[in-house]
Amino acid sequence: NAGVTQTPKFQVLKTGQSMTLQCAQDMNHEYMSWYRQDPGMGLRLIHYSVGAGITDQGEVPNGYNVSRSTTEDFPLRLLSAAPSQTSVYFCASSQPGIPPLHFGNGTRLTVT
Amino acid sequence: AQKITQTQPGMFVQEKEAVTLDCTYDTSDQSYGLFWYKQPSSGEMIFLIYQGSYDEQNATEGRYSLNFQKARKSTNLVISASQLGDSAMYFCAMRELGMDSSYKLIFGSGTRLLVRP
Repeated sequence: NAGVTQTPKFQVLKTGQSMTLQCAQDMNHEYMSWYRQDPGMGLRLIHYSVGAGITDQGEVPNGYNVSRSTTEDFPLRLLSAAPSQTSVYFCASSQPGIPPLHFGNGTRLTVT
Repeated sequence: AQKITQTQPGMFVQEKEAVTLDCTYDTSDQSYGLFWYKQPSSGEMIFLIYQGSYDEQNATEGRYSLNFQKARKSTNLVISASQLGDSAMYFCAMRELGMDSSYKLIFGSGTRLLVRP
């Protein structure tokens, strides 16, 4: 019963570095999405996918790329890390129109 | 535009008492779902309870229940018999359930609940 698995749990980057946050789900969910959580705020949508090969931007997409080559995996790429991207990142999955969203345990990213 | 408002940044409750966390929402969609998530200090997002816009009865899950007032666009979470382990951040969220829009949750800013012994 793995559900949604995110790696790594913690990461420290220097400004300008790139990295990929991994997300995998084993529930055969069509929908996957990435959120970021900043202090004092709720989660905000970065990018989402409604199926393999289909991605689109959410509320705060700048500085991030995604791809969805398989149903199971939805990696989030930071192209050139900036201190403003210091945040906690959550991956989530669900079926269309069927609640709830299932969240991974999050990745805490610090950019110095 | 869709919006979730949680007006209580922080709440205190005495152990074993009930507490109500407020949430109002705004949407023009007729079909939507309302969620509450709990985020303990360990950071994970734990799904608590769900209310669909067409559900006629208020949702209940153990010690959690919703006071859903559709006309007022509010869905308040009631936690009965509070326990120390209920100390956490609580988020209200909304999801429109149309096939072209159900991919995302809109979150409120959260309410931090502290249960006093």
